[in-house]
Amino acid sequence: AQKVTQAQTEISVVEKEDVTLDCVYETRDTTYYLFWYKQPPSGELVFLIRRNSFDEQNEISGRYSWNFQKSTSSFNFTITASQVVDSAVYFCALSEQTGGFKTIFGAGTRLFVKA
Amino acid sequence: ETGVTQTPRHLVMGMTNKKSLKCEQHLGHNAMYWYKQSAKKPLELMFVYNFKEQTENNSVPSRFSPECPNSSHLFLHLHTLQPEDSALYLCASSQDLFGKETQYFGPGTRLLVL
Repeated sequence: AQKVTQAQTEISVVEKEDVTLDCVYETRDTTYYLFWYKQPPSGELVFLIRRNSFDEQNEISGRYSWNFQKSTSSFNFTITASQVVDSAVYFCALSEQTGGFKTIFGAGTRLFVKA
Repeated sequence: ETGVTQTPRHLVMGMTNKKSLKCEQHLGHNAMYWYKQSAKKPLELMFVYNFKEQTENNSVPSRFSPECPNSSHLFLHLHTLQPEDSALYLCASSQDLFGKETQYFGPGTRLLVL
């Protein structure tokens, strides 16, 4: 069973639009960690956020915000007032206690932001 | 230099060639990883090293051979690859092994096997 599902393969928006990237995860552990990474065209994955399973508080960092809801096993990522530089592939990842906290990545969502 | 560096950035090789990918991290981390990223597939973990010791081999074919001489350097030796091995190979490091640790990635080596 897929542990991390990013159902949106590609999203295209116009600059200044808000966009939400969905992430649904599956785990039976009570202790786990969730991550978001950004992969720009240059290739390297850039860490955006880490959240542990005991902290459901939503977080805002500039134009980025994250909504963690254990009840729906979701960890969604919203970009407000998107910019062309936000164009990238975004990966959600899960690290669960079972299996030694191996990090499992979703398939990624490719975001295109048009000027 | 800072962060995680990888060389070469691009590589084209024939199926009978032998080549090596190099990864170096300047973060003082103890764990290093090799991932394979193929088109339209999730990142696939290949190998994990912790304090120079291999802790994970995720059923990777023997034509891929990792080497970790110290905690700062990680190599991936390639031998008699197949065209389906063409992909982006990413190296990452973290302070300690997995868990809550954030992984820091290099820019990757884009490999094309002809």
